[in-house]
Amino acid sequence: DTGVSQDPRHKITKRGQNVTFRCDPISEHNRLYWYRQTLGQGPEFLTYFQNEAQLEKSRLLSDRFSAERPKGSFSTLEIQRTEQGDSAMYLCASSLVGGKGYNEQFFGPGTRLTVL
Amino acid sequence: SQKIEQNSEALNIQEGKTATLTCNYTNYSPAYLQWYRQDPGRGPVFLLLIRENEKEKRKERLKVTFDTTLKQSLFHITASQPADSATYLCALDRGSTLGRLYFGRGTQLTVWP
Repeated sequence: DTGVSQDPRHKITKRGQNVTFRCDPISEHNRLYWYRQTLGQGPEFLTYFQNEAQLEKSRLLSDRFSAERPKGSFSTLEIQRTEQGDSAMYLCASSLVGGKGYNEQFFGPGTRLTVL
Repeated sequence: SQKIEQNSEALNIQEGKTATLTCNYTNYSPAYLQWYRQDPGRGPVFLLLIRENEKEKRKERLKVTFDTTLKQSLFHITASQPADSATYLCALDRGSTLGRLYFGRGTQLTVWP
């Protein structure tokens, strides 16, 4: 399978704990995005990388959230001191921009986070 | 800030009919508008992209129109099938240098036999 993969698919944690999610994009894609989606809403942008550079962060991304893409391949999203309001589906997407790419984004299956 | 409205939360139609979904936006004019399909518990799947200088785009039973004057896109599924039942999301793209997509909340389509 050469699509976007995310790990884990589900995470249940207690309030105050730290969690880390991983995303492996499509290998030839140069952009990687993180979105958050709650029930009945569309995905909300969190941050994105072009290669290893983090180019934009949403105001939704508080200082408890940090994302990295150290070698321009996989990415991690860490949430520190989780709160119940962090419960959501965390989606990763990748795209190829430049050349013939028009930024159509390919999404992974998501990581569903439940904070108790 | 950008605001995207999709006409209704739910649309129910009979198999064989044409489903028409609406996406309206305010403020910034997008360079592209994209449509995605999302099934329960899964990530969105890209369907179609239309550029601001295109009026219409087709792919098999799908058709998208883009009216920058009305700030509206229409998404049509012709000869609908129960397998088309899903949530459809529109997303605004302000151009590749800007990166992020602005999503609407989606319209849940149900096609009944």
